[in-house]
Amino acid sequence: GAVVSQHPSRVICKSGTSVKIECRSLDFQATTMFWYRQFPKQSLMLMATSNEGSKATYEQGVEKDKFLINHASLTLSTLTVTSAHPEDSSFYICSARDRKGIMNTEAFFGQGTRLTVV
Amino acid sequence: SQQGEEDPQALSIQEGENATMNCSYKTSINNLQWYRQNSGRGLVHLILIRSNEREKHSGRLRVTLDTSKKSSSLLITASRAADTASYFCATPPDSSYKLIFGSGTRLLVRP
Repeated sequence: GAVVSQHPSRVICKSGTSVKIECRSLDFQATTMFWYRQFPKQSLMLMATSNEGSKATYEQGVEKDKFLINHASLTLSTLTVTSAHPEDSSFYICSARDRKGIMNTEAFFGQGTRLTVV
Repeated sequence: SQQGEEDPQALSIQEGENATMNCSYKTSINNLQWYRQNSGRGLVHLILIRSNEREKHSGRLRVTLDTSKKSSSLLITASRAADTASYFCATPPDSSYKLIFGSGTRLLVRP
């Protein structure tokens, strides 16, 4: 199956700093990528839809100035957690769907990033 | 936001037994998908069932879809310890491209 690579897998940062997470589709083009957040033993909550060449679409309640998304190419989307605080500590996962036949196709997920803000 | 609920929230069975998980959703859909997540890892796609399908099989997996009840079930037959994971249903609500996940079922298969 298609591969989505997410980096880094783990990051520990100090409160007040910013952290960038990368999501790459390795063998297909993804006009749309998705960023999720997951708390321990809970489901994935969609944060935003990343659109190549245009602004991201954020879900209700997600601060767009806090979670900056850039989708500069068909294979790369980045999520930057700005001025991180301990409550931003979570597991962040990206996913991508192939631009061809997107409606009834599966999504491919990155390995996730465990963010710990101290 | 979450699309719906899954039950049970947690399920513990003996190796060799069958495991059944149920998912309910709220909006109209084009398809429903099931994913598996090992602890602390990304998600792996298991099976996709389209809205005009009622049942689908893949190896030891059997998925049903009842659009009139807005519900789906995932059956894992002859479970193995390696099936221990969290299982999520996901749907693209109202023909959108995004996937919204259910609350998930944590399955433990005891050797």
